[in-house]
Amino acid sequence: QKEVEQDPGPLSVPEGAIVSLNCTYSNSAFQYFMWYRQYSRKGPELLMYTYSSGNKEDGRFTAQVDKSSKYISLFIRDSQPSDSATYLCAMSEYSSASKIIFGSGTRLSIRP
Amino acid sequence: SQTIHQWPATLVQPVGSPLSLECTVEGTSNPNLYWYRQAAGRGLQLLFYSVGIGQISSEVPQNLSASRPQDRQFILSSKKLLLSDSGFYLCAWRDLLAATVGDTIYFGEGSWLTVV
Repeated sequence: QKEVEQDPGPLSVPEGAIVSLNCTYSNSAFQYFMWYRQYSRKGPELLMYTYSSGNKEDGRFTAQVDKSSKYISLFIRDSQPSDSATYLCAMSEYSSASKIIFGSGTRLSIRP
Repeated sequence: SQTIHQWPATLVQPVGSPLSLECTVEGTSNPNLYWYRQAAGRGLQLLFYSVGIGQISSEVPQNLSASRPQDRQFILSSKKLLLSDSGFYLCAWRDLLAATVGDTIYFGEGSWLTVV
């Protein structure tokens, strides 16, 4: 079993829709959770990070962590064509030598 | 502010030729540094990471090597490239200031390597 599982998609939704992207994980020691957006042929850029459980909102993006279920989500409201990209979740236990584990990414396409 | 530079951006190399990709980070001290590879349509594969000068940990046994000659410089090398080395190589640094920005990792723009 992989430490982090992420549906690869592709996911295609119409402009303005609410998008839900998800990851599950197996390591209960993970404390920090991140979401990255990667446009084609570019390096991933950090969208949001959260610590432990709960919600965090930033503009149209909301990150949600449910540690009891080992499940994290990223919601995108009022989706735009510019949101079309691959979204990667990542997580770590946090220490100077601990690894950051990435999901394989979900490819999202927003149809105008 | 911190920035990360990675070069070259694109290269086409013949099988058996050497490789050198370079990465430098500015605006921070003693960062953790990483090399990842992303094959077409696949996730990020951690190749090497370094917690300090001269300290390299290898995650995947292969014909690649890494070196950290200076605090903010990380180099990925190969003596003889294989076709399977083709991919998108990403350098990254890690911010360990948990009190302010959390445990996050920042990527360079990447280097596209095609081995022919």
